Amino acid sequence: DTAVSQTPKYLVTQMGNDKSIKCEQNLGHDTMYWYKQDSKKFLKIMFSYNNKELIINETVPNRFSPKSPDKAHLNLHINSLELGDSAVYFCASSQRGPYGYTFGSGTRLTVV
Amino acid sequence: AQSVTQLDSHVSVSEGTPVLLRCNYSSSYSPSLFWYVQHPNKGLQLLLKYTSAATLVKGINGFEAEFKKSETSFHLTKPSAHMSDAAEYFCVGTLAGGYQKVTFGTGTKLQVIP
Repeated sequence: DTAVSQTPKYLVTQMGNDKSIKCEQNLGHDTMYWYKQDSKKFLKIMFSYNNKELIINETVPNRFSPKSPDKAHLNLHINSLELGDSAVYFCASSQRGPYGYTFGSGTRLTVV
Repeated sequence: AQSVTQLDSHVSVSEGTPVLLRCNYSSSYSPSLFWYVQHPNKGLQLLLKYTSAATLVKGINGFEAEFKKSETSFHLTKPSAHMSDAAEYFCVGTLAGGYQKVTFGTGTKLQVIP
């Protein structure tokens, strides 16, 4: 009965490949996010969608493209993967207001 | 500038002793503040949150935090550390107006020594 689920949990791929990470939430939240956590545990927001509309798009290479088919799903597609893309990617969701986030368990991406 | 600063990157305590993880914020608005915990290879779990109600906030697993506007602080405390508390802790704030864009602190790694 997972609230925010990401797949896959681990992803190992070669440079230059294209890969996708999927995220789904069953909490009825209207906002979803993608965060990147680097090797020093620093979390940086990448994108945020509210009701399928992009509301936050930080300085992220355009190789990264989010897609939200509905408000319960936010997928992340990455083209032409680079070594520096290796990180843990977290999906999160929230309801509008000061309620905090619910995070997924993360996707550990390793580019070799 | 809006910011969240965690003053210690590492904190080490003995089991059974108090825990103090420090967090300061800078905001032009009345902030909402949160503490999250991340155990190794896990996602982030919400411990507690302050949203302009009571300034002393109680969370899960015996943690609590006090919002002090005069000190712009939101320190996390626990009276007695348990081995299972060893994890990374993040102070997080919704500091600015507009759409819920939050700011993460850089994290504090808590080590609990048996």
